[in-house]
Amino acid sequence: QVQLQESGPGLVKPSETLSLTCNVSGDSMSRYYWSWIRQPPGKGLEWIGFIYYSGSTNYNPSLKSRVTISIDTSKNHFSLKLTSVTAADTAVYYCTRGGQTYVNNWADPWGQGILVTVSS
Amino acid sequence: EVVLTQSPGTLSLSPGERATLSCRASQSFSSTYLAWYQQKPGQAPRLLIYGASSRATGIPDRFSGSGSGTDFTLTISRLEPEDSAVYYCQQFGWSLTFGGGTKVEIK
Repeated sequence: QVQLQESGPGLVKPSETLSLTCNVSGDSMSRYYWSWIRQPPGKGLEWIGFIYYSGSTNYNPSLKSRVTISIDTSKNHFSLKLTSVTAADTAVYYCTRGGQTYVNNWADPWGQGILVTVSS
Repeated sequence: EVVLTQSPGTLSLSPGERATLSCRASQSFSSTYLAWYQQKPGQAPRLLIYGASSRATGIPDRFSGSGSGTDFTLTISRLEPEDSAVYYCQQFGWSLTFGGGTKVEIK
């Protein structure tokens, strides 16, 4: 059974770059979509972007200029970089697996999430 | 961007009652691209329904989804105490967006 685990710094300074990694265990990353989703404290879910195992990406237009998602299937992980962060980027960040085709691209399963706080 | 509007914001019902949650989209899309998630406090969301009406693995049959076009519904036929949670709809037919969530409280 596939499991996902986010890792990275829990505190990032304003204007710096947030970098997170999602480690995938229990299954191959091949032929799936992989996503990042975030949730500010006490608020709803916001999709950040996804990457296909081949490396093609799709980002939330509101974040596109600051986001890069990459994948390394040989190491069974994918990563998120978000540049020029502000307090508004404080959130729990989740990584999820999507489908093998876009029509199946619902998020299942999810990692447990990692809280990233942007503060000096 | 497709905006998903969920209503009501909060639903307070007793065990055994029926809960009806609405998700309305700003433009039409195929029901194939509509999913529902349940999130309990301090936990990651969990997939409940995909393709608007198919239950995910392990989801009790008291949860059901329906709808098409711009109007979708999640129904919990007989509420259990453990159904207390926030429920989100999601579409990925036009980019990918989530609704704002409906909080279900059990009296």
